[in-house]
Amino acid sequence: EPEVTQTPSHQVTQMGQEVILRCVPISNHLYFYWYRQILGQKVEFLVSFYNNEISEKSEIFDDQFSVERPDGSNFTLKIRSTKLEDSAMYFCASSEGAGELFFGEGSRLTVL
Amino acid sequence: SQQGEEDPQALSIQEGENATMNCSYKTSINNLQWYRQNSGRGLVHLILIRSNEREKHSGRLRVTLDTSKKSSSLLITASRAADTASYFCATDPTNDYKLSFGAGTTVTVRA
Repeated sequence: EPEVTQTPSHQVTQMGQEVILRCVPISNHLYFYWYRQILGQKVEFLVSFYNNEISEKSEIFDDQFSVERPDGSNFTLKIRSTKLEDSAMYFCASSEGAGELFFGEGSRLTVL
Repeated sequence: SQQGEEDPQALSIQEGENATMNCSYKTSINNLQWYRQNSGRGLVHLILIRSNEREKHSGRLRVTLDTSKKSSSLLITASRAADTASYFCATDPTNDYKLSFGAGTTVTVRA
């Protein structure tokens, strides 16, 4: 069964460093998303991406964040200068359209 | 906020019992979805109910939707230890496509 894959599964970084989280969405999906979940808390929307551009972003998704689809398969989230409060699980998801989202297993980011 | 809010926050039941959790939301929606998350894992889609539907079944899951009250419920019948997880409702609002999740209900099924 097709699935969304994310790498790395866990990344530890120093505050102020740049981090890139990678996702391979399901191949025929057209919509891509990043969500994050701080430990034990709710799943928060960060950004949605369609047709090679951001379609919606939340207030969390400030200038420190960017997304890119550098080729036909990868979808990346970059955090330019990490802060302690960026520590969370970051989930990538994809969908064909409106409806069910397919999530990856997440990338745990720990900022020290 | 358009996010769904689940109730209760946590639920502990005996294997074989039913588990019911509720979700309330604030704005008009295209559909409402329920997801499950095992500890430390990704979210898995369980069921989607459209705004013009009132009830939907999938295996041991039963979902209701009351758009007049802006609420939904998820019922898991004959629960099993493997149903232990967090359950989230997510709303798809009519004015954009941004699935918004609530804080979840943590269900523990005791063997």
